[in-house]
Amino acid sequence: DIQLTQFPSFLSASVGDRVTITCRASQAISSSLAWYQQTPGTAPKLLIYAASTLQSGVPSRFSGSGSGTDFTLTISSLQPDDFATYYCHQPYSYPLTFGGGTKVEIK
Amino acid sequence: QITLKESGPTLVKPTQTLTLTCTFSGFSLNSGGVGVAWIRQPPGKALEWLTLTFWDDEKRYSPFLKSRLTITKDTSKNQVVLTMTNMDPVDTATYFCVRRLRFASTYYFDSWGQGTLVTVSS
Repeated sequence: DIQLTQFPSFLSASVGDRVTITCRASQAISSSLAWYQQTPGTAPKLLIYAASTLQSGVPSRFSGSGSGTDFTLTISSLQPDDFATYYCHQPYSYPLTFGGGTKVEIK
Repeated sequence: QITLKESGPTLVKPTQTLTLTCTFSGFSLNSGGVGVAWIRQPPGKALEWLTLTFWDDEKRYSPFLKSRLTITKDTSKNQVVLTMTNMDPVDTATYFCVRRLRFASTYYFDSWGQGTLVTVSS
């Protein structure tokens, strides 16, 4: 099974900050990685797929990079709507897995 | 517009069988490349993939729960049904129904239902 380790698990930041979240896979998964955003009480929302492709409608302040085992999600300038929990996900092989999540809170 | 909605009991007793129905619209499970999955999330915890069915009737299950899960689809009703046997309090979670679609040569979960909280308690 492919384990996805996210860090940090918790992040405190201010509006306007640049934020980077890392996801590390236990084995190489090419560019098969997605990022999801989840606010309390709602379903996750797809932000990025194929490691770096922005889903339609997602603001350009979100970006993703990486391949193989190391991936990052960057928010260039944190906005109030961005305070949420972020999950990475690998569709590369079964069982499909998610990272443990990174909660971004207001400093 | 793509919508998915989960329905079923909110409370089940230990050892009982859970049956959840996902009713979707805006797409067809007869279309090539389309799948529908169930994913759950215990309160305050991370997401966990459970099972998945595809347009061609291929099915996949989490190996950790495979013996307890069954997924079926009714394309005429636009529904996917999850059955989970021998429920335990650790199965308390929000259960999401999710569409899986092909993007850039790989499949991703792109549209999610609102989720339904299932509590397992006597």
